[in-house]
Amino acid sequence: AQSVAQPEDQVNVAEGNPLTVKCTYSVSGNPYLFWYVQYPNRGLQFLLKYITGDNLVKGSYGFEAEFNKSQTSFHLKKPSALVSDSALYFCAVRRSNYQLIWGAGTKLIIKP
Amino acid sequence: EAGVTQSPTHLIKTRGQQATLRCSPISGHTSVYWYQQALGLGLQFLLWYDEGEERNRGNFPPRFSGRQFPNYSSELNVNALELEDSALYLCASRRGYSTDTQYFGPGTRLTVL
Repeated sequence: AQSVAQPEDQVNVAEGNPLTVKCTYSVSGNPYLFWYVQYPNRGLQFLLKYITGDNLVKGSYGFEAEFNKSQTSFHLKKPSALVSDSALYFCAVRRSNYQLIWGAGTKLIIKP
Repeated sequence: EAGVTQSPTHLIKTRGQQATLRCSPISGHTSVYWYQQALGLGLQFLLWYDEGEERNRGNFPPRFSGRQFPNYSSELNVNALELEDSALYLCASRRGYSTDTQYFGPGTRLTVL
C-alpha cells in the first residue's frame, strides 16, 4: 500500500540551529515527493519537490530536502532556523493516478 | 500570475443547510482538487476534477458534490450540513499530467452552527 509517514507530531528547535522534519514513504515505482508549508489559517504553500536527479533538492525560503532511496526517506532540512519558520509542514507522495498521498503534518516550533 | 482564489473566505451556516464553495484555478491549470482540513488535522482528499470530469472522490458521503465549469473553475457543494463539516476547505490546481505540483488557494473556513 502506498503511504507517507511523518513520525513526529511536533519538532522544537532553537532559533539559529539546524532543523530537520522527517518524512518516510512507501510507494511502488519511482517516487515523486513534495513538501508544503501551512501558516495558521492559510492554504498550503509549495516548498520543493523531488522528481529525479540530484538527491538534494533546494526549495523556497532556504529549505532543502534529501531524498534517500535506500531508507525511503525525504527529510526536510534548513541549516539555520528562523522564528518565522514556525508552521505546519506536510510531506506528500504522488500516487500512480496523479493524486497525492499526504502525511499527517508536523508542527515546527522555533523558539527565540 | 494570479494564484488560486477561493470564495467566500468565511461561511457560516446552520445544521441542515447547504453550502457552496467556489474555486478559480491558476490560468492554464485544468485540474482542481478539493480537500477538507478539520481543525488541527491533516488534509482529507474530497474530489478531483480534470477537464470538466470528476476523476476521483475521497471517502466522503454523497452530500459532498461538485462540478467543474468550462473555464476550469470549480464549485463544491455540501448538502444537509452537519456540525462535523466545520473545517477549512482547500482548493488546489495543477497544470496537467506532466506537472505534478498542486498549488493551493487560501481556503474557505466553513462553520456549521
